Amino acid sequence: GESVGLHLPTLSVQEGDNSIINCAYSNSASDYFIWYKQESGKGPQFIIDIRSNMDKRQGQRVTVLLNKTVKHLSLQIAATQPGDSAVYFCATQAGYSTLTFGKGTMLLVSP
Amino acid sequence: NAGVTQTPKFRILKIGQSMTLQCTQDMNHNYMYWYRQDPGMGLKLIYYSVGAGITDKGEVPNGYNVSRSTTEDFPLRLELAAPSQTSVYFCASSYPGLAGGGTQYFGPGTRLLVL
Repeated sequence: GESVGLHLPTLSVQEGDNSIINCAYSNSASDYFIWYKQESGKGPQFIIDIRSNMDKRQGQRVTVLLNKTVKHLSLQIAATQPGDSAVYFCATQAGYSTLTFGKGTMLLVSP
Repeated sequence: NAGVTQTPKFRILKIGQSMTLQCTQDMNHNYMYWYRQDPGMGLKLIYYSVGAGITDKGEVPNGYNVSRSTTEDFPLRLELAAPSQTSVYFCASSYPGLAGGGTQYFGPGTRLLVL
C-alpha cells in the first residue's frame, strides 16, 4: 500500500530564516499533492497544493516543489515567522482514491 | 460561511457507551470524510461519503458507523466505545476537483476520551 513519510519529525528555525519541510511518497500513481498546517488544538488547514503536471507552485511566502522522479515533495516557507510554528502534513492522492496523509513535521520557530 | 463545524468539542465516555459525533458543512460539498488522529500520528480515514445516501469504508472503519441523509450532515456513530477509540476526530469536506475528491477542508475536531 501507499505510504507517505517525512524526513524530519521536528524542524527548529530562527525567525526570518527560510524553512524547508520534506515529504517522500511511495505511490508512483499519485497525481495530486497537498500541504496542510495544523496548529495545536485545531484542525488541519490547507496551505497549498500541486498537481503532477507541475513541478513548482508558489503561494504567499510558500512554495511547493514536486520531484516525481524520486517521489519527493517539499514545502518551502520564506521568512519564517513565529506564527508559522505548527505541524505540517503532506497528503497525496492517486486518481479518484482518498487522500493519504503523512505523520507530520513539527516546525518550531524561535524569535 | 461557517465551513465545517463539529460537536461536541470534547467528550468523556465510559467503556461500552455509545455516542454520535456531529459534523455539518455549509459549503455544498458533495464529499465528506471522518478521520481519527492519534497523538503524534497522521490522519487515518474512518469513513467517507461522495454524496447523500452513499458511504464507504476507509482505512479504519471497525467500531464506527456513518450515515449521510443530507448533503450538509455526516454524523459518526460509536456503538460500543472502547479505550482504543480514544483519539481526536476530524470531519472534512471537499468538492470534487479535476481528480478525486479535491482539497479537503477540516472542522476543529472532537476530542474523545474513553475510560
